[in-house]
Amino acid sequence: DTGVSQDPRHKITKRGQNVTFRCDPISEHNRLYWYRQTLGQGPEFLTYFQNEAQLEKSRLLSDRFSAERPKGSFSTLEIQRTEQGDSAMYLCASRGQGEDEQYFGPGTRLTVT
Amino acid sequence: EDQVTQSPEALRLQEGESSSLNCSYTVSGLRGLFWYRQDPGKGPEFLFTLYSAGEEKEKERLKATLTKKESFLHITAPKPEDSATYLCAVQAMIKAAGNKLTFGGGTRVLVKP
Repeated sequence: DTGVSQDPRHKITKRGQNVTFRCDPISEHNRLYWYRQTLGQGPEFLTYFQNEAQLEKSRLLSDRFSAERPKGSFSTLEIQRTEQGDSAMYLCASRGQGEDEQYFGPGTRLTVT
Repeated sequence: EDQVTQSPEALRLQEGESSSLNCSYTVSGLRGLFWYRQDPGKGPEFLFTLYSAGEEKEKERLKATLTKKESFLHITAPKPEDSATYLCAVQAMIKAAGNKLTFGGGTRVLVKP
């Protein structure tokens, strides 16, 4: 399977705990995006990487959120001191050079109790 | 700020009953308009990209069209397996955020046999 993969698929955590999600993009896709989707809504942009450089962050991304993409391959999204409002589906997408379409992974469903 | 509005929010169809979904958008110069299909608990699956008014794309029972202010997704003679949420997204011409996608809230389609 050469699609975008995300791990874990589901995460339940208690308020105040830190969580980290991983995204493996389609190989050779140099652009990587994180989105957040709450129930009944469309995905909202969080942040964007071109290779290893994080070039854009949404104002939705508070200081408790940090993302990395070491070596321009996989990416991680960490949420510190989780809050109940962080409960959502976190989606990763990748895009190839010269292409417009973004291809999404299956998402990580986060539940903060 | 880019905005996408989809209507209706939900649509119940009998198998074989054709219908159309609407996506209205405002964007500071349209680079592309995208349609995705999303099944419950999964990531969005890419369907179509439209670039200019008058353009049409077809795939099986789905046909997407584009005007200067809106796009339509026509579902012809739908089958139960067409049941899903259909998401519309725009990409602005301005090179910001790696050409992030701005999504609408989606239309939930249920096709009954």
